[in-house]
Amino acid sequence: TQLLEQSPQFLSIQEGENLTVYCNSSSVFSSLQWYRQEPGEGPVLLVTVVTGGEVKKLKRLTFQFGDARKDSSLHITAAQTGDTGLYLCAGERTNAGKSTFGDGTTLTVKP
Amino acid sequence: EAQVTQNPRYLITVTGKKLTVTCSQNMNHEYMSWYRQDPGLGLRQIYYSMNVEVTDKGDVPEGYKVSRKEKRNFPLILESPSPNQTSLYFCASISSTDTQYFGPGTRLTVL
Repeated sequence: TQLLEQSPQFLSIQEGENLTVYCNSSSVFSSLQWYRQEPGEGPVLLVTVVTGGEVKKLKRLTFQFGDARKDSSLHITAAQTGDTGLYLCAGERTNAGKSTFGDGTTLTVKP
Repeated sequence: EAQVTQNPRYLITVTGKKLTVTCSQNMNHEYMSWYRQDPGLGLRQIYYSMNVEVTDKGDVPEGYKVSRKEKRNFPLILESPSPNQTSLYFCASISSTDTQYFGPGTRLTVL
């Protein structure tokens, strides 16, 4: 059973378009992270959200944590080819150290 | 430079031949973790460690062992590898703010 469901699984868009990736769960998380992974490398952290309802912006990326701390979204404005990659959400539950990852969203931004 | 190192990066072995994948971090983190990444299944946690001599099972611990004799090292041991353990393995070192710093990955093939 996948605790964190990401959607869509694959997304292919043109440069300049906007997109949103979702990360949903029936479980409550103490914190949730978004990572980006490029082929042949390990995931790299983009952001951590901790408070229900929290919104964080990182240039063209906007991250939101749901009020109940069960879901999150990543919105990219005016996507660029450099945004291409695998986006992963990960949740930390109350027993620290035990992480759950979503199965990822593969984003392709075409020029 | 803060980093997580894994060795080897690539390994091809045969069923039943014991192997160890090493992981080392230089950030003095207490928490470390091992994951395997498989197509369509995302990152799944194998084992994690909260401190020296303290480890716990993740979601897919069967067929794996770990040890944490010192803070910087967290080796993953496959006593009797099987073909279903062919995968991409990542070690992560976890900061106090739940940020996971991933190693470069070890691609293991068990024939």
